[in-house]
Amino acid sequence: GAVVSQHPSWVICKSGTSVKIECRSLDFQATTMFWYRQFPKQSLMLMATSNEGSKATYEQGVEKDKFLINHASLTLSTLTVTSAHPEDSSFYICSAPTGATTEEQYFGPGTRLTVT
Amino acid sequence: GQNIDQPTEMTATEGAIVQINCTYQTSGFNGLFWYQQHAGEAPTFLSYNVLDGLEEKGRFSSFLSRSKGYSYLLLKELQMKDSASYLCAPMDSNYQLIWGAGTKLIIKP
Repeated sequence: GAVVSQHPSWVICKSGTSVKIECRSLDFQATTMFWYRQFPKQSLMLMATSNEGSKATYEQGVEKDKFLINHASLTLSTLTVTSAHPEDSSFYICSAPTGATTEEQYFGPGTRLTVT
Repeated sequence: GQNIDQPTEMTATEGAIVQINCTYQTSGFNGLFWYQQHAGEAPTFLSYNVLDGLEEKGRFSSFLSRSKGYSYLLLKELQMKDSASYLCAPMDSNYQLIWGAGTKLIIKP
């Protein structure tokens, strides 16, 4: 099946620093990728939709200047958490649809971010 | 508004059958997904229903009634590894998945 990878799988950073998370589709091209955040015991929250060759679409309440998204190619999207704070500590997951009708999405393994 | 309703937690016995219900309200509808999520891991795809009826895939089956805004996931011959959260996620008219908090399924020996 389709594979989506994320890097790093976990990261610890100090408050005020920036962290970049990569999401790659390994065996298919993805013009669209989705970035989610999930706090413990809560549902997945869609943060933004990453579009190759154009600007990302952010969900209401998500600061686009804080969560920078770059969809550099048909297989790579990056999320940069700028000036991270402890409240940004969360599980960040990307996903990509594999079909033209976005019927099925495959999720990356997720990135556990801890801001100290 | 858009809403998903699933039981928060269910308990079942190894080898038994369990049905996890989901009711939903969305702006438009483009199918409904079920995902399994183990603690600390990303969700994995289980099933997709877009037409009414039952879809069977091995030990797992998923049912959809669009007129009732209702779906269920049926798990047979439960195994300990089935202990996980099960997420019902309908897709709205914008092809966005709408996520609930999921149902935590606990399997006891």
